[in-house]
Amino acid sequence: SQQGEEDPQALSIQEGENATMNCSYKTSINNLQWYRQNSGRGLVHLILIRSNEREKHSGRLRVTLDTSKKSSSLLITASRAADTASYFCATDPHVQGAQKLVFGQGTRLTINP
Amino acid sequence: EAQVTQNPRYLITVTGKKLTVTCSQNMNHEYMSWYRQDPGLGLRQIYYSMNVEVTDKGDVPEGYKVSRKEKRNFPLILESPSPNQTSLYFCASSLFRGGAYEQYFGPGTRLTVT
Repeated sequence: SQQGEEDPQALSIQEGENATMNCSYKTSINNLQWYRQNSGRGLVHLILIRSNEREKHSGRLRVTLDTSKKSSSLLITASRAADTASYFCATDPHVQGAQKLVFGQGTRLTINP
Repeated sequence: EAQVTQNPRYLITVTGKKLTVTCSQNMNHEYMSWYRQDPGLGLRQIYYSMNVEVTDKGDVPEGYKVSRKEKRNFPLILESPSPNQTSLYFCASSLFRGGAYEQYFGPGTRLTVT
């Protein structure tokens, strides 16, 4: 079953602008991760945020987590053409144990030069 | 270089002809898994393995088999492929760090079953 749902499904912005993607999930979680996928390639881990954390930064990435609303957001600041990719959130459902990640359907981000 | 490799990268086959997609990782990870990715459905887990000789079903295991005889290898077997198994397949291995499984993905295998 799909736990995470990303919003929007597709996003197109100009280079240099900020991009925000959202993820909602249904059950309580241990942690939430964000991954990037360039077209047709394997996913690459970007950042992890634990259920007891509210915000985390990594370079131009900022992730927030609101467990009361069961949602997370990924902000990419000062976007570049190389950021063009699909972005997925993945949740580690608490009820299913720590060994399983459930991925959303992804947000396709296009950065226009 | 730390990596997950999959072979073949592309495969076109016919209904009913058994095939195996190999997966190997050189990071000594205990946890490995297989996913399929389909348009509009995202990534769905097929099988996973917590360690050698320990495997379990994911969300969509029907029509697939796996084995884990060695830590580094986790092959995916389709005994009798059907057209609805046409998909993009990813193998992943995981590092357990900070209370979470951070997954490392292979490059993918695009399978077409006619």
